[in-house]
Amino acid sequence: EAGVAQSPRYKIIEKRQSVAFWCNPISGHATLYWYQQILGQGPKLLIQFQNNGVVDDSQLPKDRFSAERLKGVDSTLKIQPAKLEDSAVYLCASSFTNTEAFFGQGTRLTVV
Amino acid sequence: AQSVAQPEDQVNVAEGNPLTVKCTYSVSGNPYLFWYVQYPNRGLQFLLKYITGDNLVKGSYGFEAEFNKSQTSFHLKKPSALVSDSALYFCAVRPDSNYQLIWGAGTKLIIKP
Repeated sequence: EAGVAQSPRYKIIEKRQSVAFWCNPISGHATLYWYQQILGQGPKLLIQFQNNGVVDDSQLPKDRFSAERLKGVDSTLKIQPAKLEDSAVYLCASSFTNTEAFFGQGTRLTVV
Repeated sequence: AQSVAQPEDQVNVAEGNPLTVKCTYSVSGNPYLFWYVQYPNRGLQFLLKYITGDNLVKGSYGFEAEFNKSQTSFHLKKPSALVSDSALYFCAVRPDSNYQLIWGAGTKLIIKP
């Protein structure tokens, strides 16, 4: 079974630039999550989708972050404009509705 | 507020000794409980889960966890630690009434040869 795919693996951008991350979840998983993980800390949920609807985006900085999951499969997370404090690993995960989540390798973003 | 606590930032164990990584939670209802492991520069890997049934659940790499409802705990254990077990361990809880995962802050496990 293929896992959660994310791209790119690494990205370096200057502050005020924009960036986008892509995630392809495990086939059949209705729930998709985007997390932000600062080095040495636990993952922080940015947004959670159930199919193509948003379940929770309470911690998403909506002035600069946006996410979509068209057709309830792939998802993109965008940051525009980026700030230095956005430097982190962005993790995508997917699950059936109430079971364990499976994570992708993550995208390490460095904002300089 | 619902929460998950991992009271130890770091746990040090000698190779071959038993290890325990602690997790306690405060959520409503009958939660689903999970443990994940993260190796350096890698994503989170699922280790094991408790949903219902036997309080002792077995997972990947020889790990097991014991669910204790009265103490609201879900401690991760392994009878004999390996150096390769050194990693960051996260406990997560899903309250039974919604889809959210609530995460602990993580415990760094260091196994010394």
